[in-house]
Amino acid sequence: DADVTQTPRNRITKTGKRIMLECSQTKGHDRMYWYRQDPGLGLRLIYYSFDVKDINKGEISDGYSVSRQAQAKFSLSLESAIPNQTALYFCATSERGLSEQFFGPGTRLTVL
Amino acid sequence: QKEVEQDPGPLSVPEGAIVSLNCTYSNSAFQYFMWYRQYSRKGPELLMYTYSSGNKEDGRFTAQVDKSSKYISLFIRDSQPSDSATYLCAMRVSNDYKLSFGAGTTVTVRA
Repeated sequence: DADVTQTPRNRITKTGKRIMLECSQTKGHDRMYWYRQDPGLGLRLIYYSFDVKDINKGEISDGYSVSRQAQAKFSLSLESAIPNQTALYFCATSERGLSEQFFGPGTRLTVL
Repeated sequence: QKEVEQDPGPLSVPEGAIVSLNCTYSNSAFQYFMWYRQYSRKGPELLMYTYSSGNKEDGRFTAQVDKSSKYISLFIRDSQPSDSATYLCAMRVSNDYKLSFGAGTTVTVRA
C-alpha cells in the first residue's frame, strides 16, 4: 500500500463549488504539506502543518483552507472554486528536521 | 525573475545517451540541493540529494553543484526508456524546511 494517499485522484467541478481534497499517510511523519503544480511554474506551496495544532500559510494560500484532523490526515479545501485553481495538487510529508519530502500521487482538479 | 530557473525542454535522446539537466538559482543562501523524478500521473520522488558544492554519484546518476556560479546539474549515463520522466530540481537554505522548485524538465529516452 502507498505511504501517502490522496483522494480523489481526479475531480471536475464547476465555478463556485466547494471542494475538499484529502490526504492520508502511514509514514508516521509529523509534517504535512499541500502543493499545486502548474505547467511552467513547478510546485508551489499552499499550506503546511508541523503538527495537529500548527498550521501555516505557504506562498499561495489565498482561496484555500486546510484542516489537520489527525497526525495522519491533512485536507485541503477550496471554498468557492474558480477556473484558475485548475491544477495538479500534491500532498507531501516529512519527518521533523529532515528535508526529504515524500509525495502522494496527486489529484488532478479541473474547475469549469 | 523566478528564484529557480529550469529549462522545461522537452528533451528527447536515444537510449544509451547521456542526459544533461541543469538549474540556475538566484539565492546564494541555498545550501541543500535535490533532484526529484516525476513519472506521468505520479508524485515526485527524491532521486539525488546534495549539500553545498561538489559532486555526488549514485549508479548512473551524478549530481553536481557549483555554488560560485549558482548552477546545479544532473547527469544520467547510459539512459534507458525507463528514465523517461520529468526531472525537478529543488533547493533550500540550511535552517528552513521550505523547498524552492524549478519548473521541471521533461525527458524522453527513445528505444
